[in-house]
Amino acid sequence: DADVTQTPRNRITKTGKRIMLECSQTKGHDRMYWYRQDPGLGLRLIYYSFDVKDINKGEISDGYSVSRQAQAKFSLSLESAIPNQTALYFCATSDFPPSAGDRETQYFGPGTRLLVL
Amino acid sequence: AQSVTQLGSHVSVSEGALVLLRCNYSSSVPPYLFWYVQYPNQGLQLLLKYTTGATLVKGINGFEAEFKKSETSFHLTKPSAHMSDAAEYFCAVTPRDSSYKLIFGSGTRLLVRP
Repeated sequence: DADVTQTPRNRITKTGKRIMLECSQTKGHDRMYWYRQDPGLGLRLIYYSFDVKDINKGEISDGYSVSRQAQAKFSLSLESAIPNQTALYFCATSDFPPSAGDRETQYFGPGTRLLVL
Repeated sequence: AQSVTQLGSHVSVSEGALVLLRCNYSSSVPPYLFWYVQYPNQGLQLLLKYTTGATLVKGINGFEAEFKKSETSFHLTKPSAHMSDAAEYFCAVTPRDSSYKLIFGSGTRLLVRP
C-alpha cells in the first residue's frame, strides 16, 4: 500500500464550487505539505503543517484553505474554485527530525489532477 | 531569494546514450540538493540527495549526481538510457537555514528514442 495517498485522483468542477482534496499518510510523519504543479513552473508550496496545531501559509495560499484533522490527515479546500486553479496538486510528508547524519526529506503522494471549468 | 535553474525543459536521447540533466542553484551557501523523478501519471519519487560528505551521490535506477560547489551545480547523469527512464525530472534544494523549505526547478522532461 502507498505511504501517502490522495483522493480523488482526478476531479472536474465548475467555477464557484467548493471542493476538498484529501491526503492521508501512514509514514508516521508530523510534517505535511500541499503543493501545486503547473507546466513549466515546477512545484509551488500552498500550505504546510508541522503538527496538528501548527499550520502555515506557503508562497501561493490565496484562494486555498487547509485542515489538519489528525497527524495522518491533511485536507486542502478551494472555497470558490476558479479556472486558474486548474493544476496538479500534490501532498507530501517529511521526516523531521531526520535520522542522524541525514537531512529532512519530503515524500510525495500520487497527485490529484483538478480541472476547473 | 534562492532559485533553481534546470537548463532545457526537454532533453531527448537515444536508448543506450548518456543522460545528462543540468541543475544550478543560486545561493552562495550551498544548500541541500535533491533530484526527484515523476513518471507519467505518478507522484514524485526521490532519486537521490546530497547533504554532506562525498560529492558524487548515487541514486536509484543507475542515476548519479555530482555536487560542484565552484560551479553551483548538481547535474544528474546516467551512463546508458533505458526506455523506462522517460519521465520528468525535478531538481530541488533546501536552504541550509531552513529545515523544511523545498524549492523546485521547473523540471526537465526526458525523452528516450528507440
